[in-house]
Amino acid sequence: RKEVEQDPGPFNVPEGATVAFNCTYSNSASQSFFWYRQDCRKEPKLLMSVYSSGNEDGRFTAQLNRASQYISLLIRDSKLSDSATYLCVVNMLFRDDKIIFGKGTRLHILP
Amino acid sequence: DGGITQSPKYLFRKEGQNVTLSCEQNLNHDAMYWYRQDPGQGLRLIYYSQIVNDFQKGDIAEGYSVSREKKESFPLTVTSAQKNPTAFYLCASSITVRTNEKLFFGSGTQLSVL
Repeated sequence: RKEVEQDPGPFNVPEGATVAFNCTYSNSASQSFFWYRQDCRKEPKLLMSVYSSGNEDGRFTAQLNRASQYISLLIRDSKLSDSATYLCVVNMLFRDDKIIFGKGTRLHILP
Repeated sequence: DGGITQSPKYLFRKEGQNVTLSCEQNLNHDAMYWYRQDPGQGLRLIYYSQIVNDFQKGDIAEGYSVSREKKESFPLTVTSAQKNPTAFYLCASSITVRTNEKLFFGSGTQLSVL
C-alpha cells in the first residue's frame, strides 16, 4: 500500500456542482494532514489543514477519519477558479520527520 | 514581504554538466526542503535541512548535492550523475520540521536537458 494515495483524476465537474476528493494514508502514526492546491506549473499553496474534528472554510470542508486512515476534501458550489490539482499531504513525524505528498487529483470545472 | 525566492525560473543543462539551483528565504525558518516533481506525479523529497550546516537525504538524493552554510540559503546542485534531471524543482521551508506548520514554497525551477 502506498504511503499516501489519492483518487485518480481528472475530475470534470460542471460549475456549481459539489465535488469530493479522498486520500488514504498507510501509517497510523501520522500526525498532521493538509490539503494543498497547485495550479499548472506553479508552486503548491496550502488550502486547508485537516483537524480531527473536521473543519470548514467557506465552500471547502475537510474531514479526517483516523480509524479508516483517510482524509477528504469537499468543495461546494464549485467555481471555474477551483480548477487545479489538489494534493493530499501527510506529515509522518515518526518517519524521519518527512512530509509525504500524494500524486494529486486534477479538477476541471466546466462552464 | 517575506517569502522564498527560487532562481532561475528556467534552466537548461548540457550533458555532463553540473548546475546549481538557488533558493533563498527571508522567513527566518529553520527547515528547508528540495522537492522534485515530474508530470502527473507528486512531489518527491530530494534533501532537507533542519538547521544550518546540517542536511539529510530524502527519497531520491542520488545525483544531487546541497549545502546549508547560511540559514537563508539552501542551494541544490544537480550533478552529471543525475541521468534524468528534467523536472520541476521546488524549494520549500517551514518554521521547523517537528511542527504542524505549513510549508512555504518558492515558485519553482524548470530544469531541462539540452
